[in-house]
Amino acid sequence: SQQGEEDPQALSIQEGENATMNCSYKTSINNLQWYRQNSGRGLVHLILIRSNEREKHSGRLRVTLDTSKKSSSLLITASRAADTASYFCATVLNSGNTPLVFGKGTRLSVIA
Amino acid sequence: DSGVTQTPKHLITATGQRVTLRCSPRSGDLSVYWYQQSLDQGLQFLIQYYNGEERAKGNILERFSAQQFPDLHSELNLSSLELGDSALYFCASSVDWGLAYEQYFGPGTRLTVT
Repeated sequence: SQQGEEDPQALSIQEGENATMNCSYKTSINNLQWYRQNSGRGLVHLILIRSNEREKHSGRLRVTLDTSKKSSSLLITASRAADTASYFCATVLNSGNTPLVFGKGTRLSVIA
Repeated sequence: DSGVTQTPKHLITATGQRVTLRCSPRSGDLSVYWYQQSLDQGLQFLIQYYNGEERAKGNILERFSAQQFPDLHSELNLSSLELGDSALYFCASSVDWGLAYEQYFGPGTRLTVT
């Protein structure tokens, strides 16, 4: 089963609104990363948060990490139509050099 | 543009055939990863190479194999293709093999097996 599970599976909002996506995982991690994928294209790295960090910002993105709850959230503020994409969380486990384990993603639609 | 290139963009072939997908990593990146993305399985890690050597293996079928060449480009070979192998195949690269390096993804190769 997937290590990371995003919620919701799909989200539709109006331009200008904030979008929040959540990710839960099962085992302890070294870091957690968020990626964006436009339809049928390659993934684009958005932000990496380490297990000893609680919050990180990048432009209109804010990521939080709660290791006690094994969860992370991605907030996109003042959304734009161009933010329409699928968003994936990916975890790097603590157990040695394991590759990224991706969730199934949240499909975000921002309506102009 | 991530700097990772993949060829071909699209590939349509018949069951039982063999194909080779090619990936060139970003300049300076030593690590290459292959992923398969399908509607039902999501994004699945297949295999990782670092500086020519296999580093980690995921859900890669025995019918699939990969290698990384001295110039660091990588090829993914898929043989005895089945309908279920139809998917998007992504290559990604990172500067090192470690845990805290972001990966840069190529545009993918869409494989359709008929």
